[in-house]
Amino acid sequence: QITLKESGPTLVKPTQTLTLTCTFSGFSLSTNGMGVGWIRQPPGKALEWLALIYWDDDKRYSRSLKSRLTVTKESSKNQAVLIMNNMDPVDTATYYCAHTLDGSGIRFDCWGQGILVTVSS
Amino acid sequence: DIQMTQSPSSLSASVGDRVTITCQASQGIDNYLNWYQQKPGKAPKLLIYAASNLETGVPSRFSGSGSGTYFTLIISSLQPEDIATYYCQHYESLPITFGQGTRLEIK
Repeated sequence: QITLKESGPTLVKPTQTLTLTCTFSGFSLSTNGMGVGWIRQPPGKALEWLALIYWDDDKRYSRSLKSRLTVTKESSKNQAVLIMNNMDPVDTATYYCAHTLDGSGIRFDCWGQGILVTVSS
Repeated sequence: DIQMTQSPSSLSASVGDRVTITCQASQGIDNYLNWYQQKPGKAPKLLIYAASNLETGVPSRFSGSGSGTYFTLIISSLQPEDIATYYCQHYESLPITFGQGTRLEIK
């Protein structure tokens, strides 16, 4: 059974850098084909894809946010990390990490519970 | 970027009704389309992948169809637990994009 859980600060100030950790179980990011995606959802709004990282360290980013995003993995800890710099109030959202499997189309078949991050001074 | 447009934005239906939600892509995406269900305060849940494949454990009253630019999600007999917002998502190319969502309520 795959589970994921996001952790990190729930309140950040404008211009600060956000670092979120996704801790997962039931799969390994060092196993062929495994991947973790990051998706966010502003309050009352739709889902927005941010980034993907795969078992082979292949990384993909949202075109509009690419300059502000970094994704990394620590396979030995079963963790993936999202870093977003220069945070702004419009980045206030629930941030999710989700499991995906390379080669089966990019579908997110298991999600974390999400973490609400508020950007405010 | 490929834009995904869902309709309607909101929908009210009665228990037992057949419900249809549509998703239109701004360009052809073959069958590279997934559907998710999101209940209030919860994470999305994958319902349908590759346009018409039911995810394991999802009730058979859910079905998906379509190819190219036009897709549908059908609930054959609406149940109270189906109250949620539904999102389509394409993966034809990066960036992945989601539709704006369809909010389903019980009449």
